[in-house]
Amino acid sequence: AQKITQTQPGMFVQEKEAVTLDCTYDTSDQSYGLFWYKQPSSGEMIFLIYQGSYDEQNATEGRYSLNFQKARKSTNLVISASQLGDSAMYFCAMREMNTGFQKLVFGTGTRLLVSP
Amino acid sequence: NAGVTQTPKFQVLKTGQSMTLQCAQDMNHEYMSWYRQDPGMGLRLIHYSVGAGITDQGEVPNGYNVSRSTTEDFPLRLLSAAPSQTSVYFCASSYSAAPGGYTFGSGTRLTVV
Repeated sequence: AQKITQTQPGMFVQEKEAVTLDCTYDTSDQSYGLFWYKQPSSGEMIFLIYQGSYDEQNATEGRYSLNFQKARKSTNLVISASQLGDSAMYFCAMREMNTGFQKLVFGTGTRLLVSP
Repeated sequence: NAGVTQTPKFQVLKTGQSMTLQCAQDMNHEYMSWYRQDPGMGLRLIHYSVGAGITDQGEVPNGYNVSRSTTEDFPLRLLSAAPSQTSVYFCASSYSAAPGGYTFGSGTRLTVV
């Protein structure tokens, strides 16, 4: 069964520094997608970045990038030059393309606090 | 560009009452899902639909019913509310073929007393 693990309940970073949020996954499907969502205190779920299992390059979107290590089944989110507005919950999620395409499975999240 | 619209945003129910959480999307997405979010547990899938007339259970379906009579709408029904159903509920939708993720509604905060 597919599973997402986020082992960091909380992370702290100073403004303008980089931070890495960890995520590991488990799946028997060879084709899958990995996602990161941001949930600010206002509660909405904001899509940040996507990595496909067959993508050879690590995904990047502005200040967000993924360190995708397929053999280790990990997809860590790197936020560069942290800003105060990055303080939020961050969720890693996975979608299996063959056996569970209609479902997103989430990790328990990491709360990031950016300090001035 | 409404995206995914959920109503109501907040609701307080008494134990045993019934209600329907509404979800509508205007993006012609085939897939729609309901999730609940509880502290420390992330988002868990309640029910999902892959098209009009087709629904299936997710990870935590007990106490909830769904139907999908149109592509646009996917209501979630609580037949007899229980305090354990106090949670934040999210509706989400997605294309069937695209590898991208789901688009989420803004959520409904439900309290059952």
